[in-house]
Parts: sequence; C-alpha cells; structure tokens
Amino acid sequence: KAGVTQTPRYLIKTRGQQVTLSCSPISGHRSVSWYQQTPGQGLQFLFEYFSETQRNKGNFPGRFSGRQFSNSRSEMNVSTLELGDSALYLCASSLARGLASSYNEQFFGPGTRLTVL
Amino acid sequence: DAKTTQPNSMESNEEEPVHLPCNHSTISGTDYIHWYRQLPSQGPEYVIHGLTSNVNNRMASLAIAEDRKSSTLILHRATLRDAAVYYCILPREAENSGNTPLVFGKGTRLSVIA
Repeated sequence: KAGVTQTPRYLIKTRGQQVTLSCSPISGHRSVSWYQQTPGQGLQFLFEYFSETQRNKGNFPGRFSGRQFSNSRSEMNVSTLELGDSALYLCASSLARGLASSYNEQFFGPGTRLTVL
Repeated sequence: DAKTTQPNSMESNEEEPVHLPCNHSTISGTDYIHWYRQLPSQGPEYVIHGLTSNVNNRMASLAIAEDRKSSTLILHRATLRDAAVYYCILPREAENSGNTPLVFGKGTRLSVIA
C-alpha cells in the first residue's frame, strides 16, 4: 500500500506570495490533517479535513486555509507569505473512525519544506 | 489539553534496553496515551498507544502507571535506527466526529551509541 505523498517536497517563495501544497492520503483513508513544524515551535496542528469538511482547526491565522476533494486528496494554501511561515509542512492521513477517545493512528508523509525569502 | 513532560534528551548504547519516561499528571480518565517518533528527515510515525493496561507490539512496550499519571516507553534492544525524537501525546478531544488532533510537545531526543 502506498504511503502518504506530498508535493512538492521543497519550495522557495518570497514574502507576500502565496503557496499551495498538496497531500494524497493512503488509499481508503478519509481524514487528512496538516501540521507545521518549526525549530522554535515544534509540531503544531493546523487543521483536519474529513469528507471534504474542515472538522478541527488549530490556532493559526486565516492566511492558512485548506480544502479536501472528493477523492480525499487535500491541499493547503498560505497567502501573503511571511518569513515566519518557513517550515516543514506535514500531512497525515487516518481512517478516522470518529471516536475522540479511540485509537486513530495517523500516517505522516515526508513533508514539504517551505522557505520564505 | 492534557500536558505531557518528557526529558529533553537521552542516550543509550546499542543493543541495550531504553526506558523513555513521560509524565502526564493532568490526564483524564478517557485519554489514551500515544507515542510517536520522528526519525531524522522524516515525518513522525506511530509507535504504540494504551489506556490503562501495559501494551506490547513489535516495536516497543508501553508501561502505564496504576494512577495513569505517568508512562514509560520501552525499547527492548536499541538499534542505531531507533535514534529519533520520541513524543508522548495525549490527543486532544475532537470537536466533532473527525480525527483527534495530535498535540506534540518537545519530545525526547534519543541518541544511540554504537
């Protein structure tokens, strides 16, 4: 079974630009979560999509948005890029059986490393 | 969110057992304890999880204290491949029927010496 794939793997942008990152979950997985990883803040949850709807959201500004398509593939978009947005953006997929207290193993992709100059 | 406390770093010799501690004194009765690890230049990967009883799988064992305020991840024989950052996580309660967001702390950086 193919793992979670993310494209592109590396990206360089300048301040003020916008960027779109893509994530293809494991076949059959319907939940896709996005995380940002920086040396200073560590791994932080951005948002989660399930059945094309945003289900949970982390504490990030509105410049960070996402969507999920009917085939469960997801994209995240960052507008008006700032230097502080330089980070590794990780996507994770899971079956999402829907019980908050139950086990839901998340499978992470390799990430997209975004550098903002 | 329930908070976890882990040592910043630990060191182990290859082929020796490793005990990675985690304190979670504010854990609620329904919080599962999850462990993930992140190898260099990779995304995190699931290691193990448990609720009350000790758990074993092919990767590791999880020992949970009787009062559930602490747990220990046990790698029975550390290899160089086990060098990674290990995260002890109590997933945040999902707001609705979606997935449970993982709240990562700083984790423990494990170094394995040959």
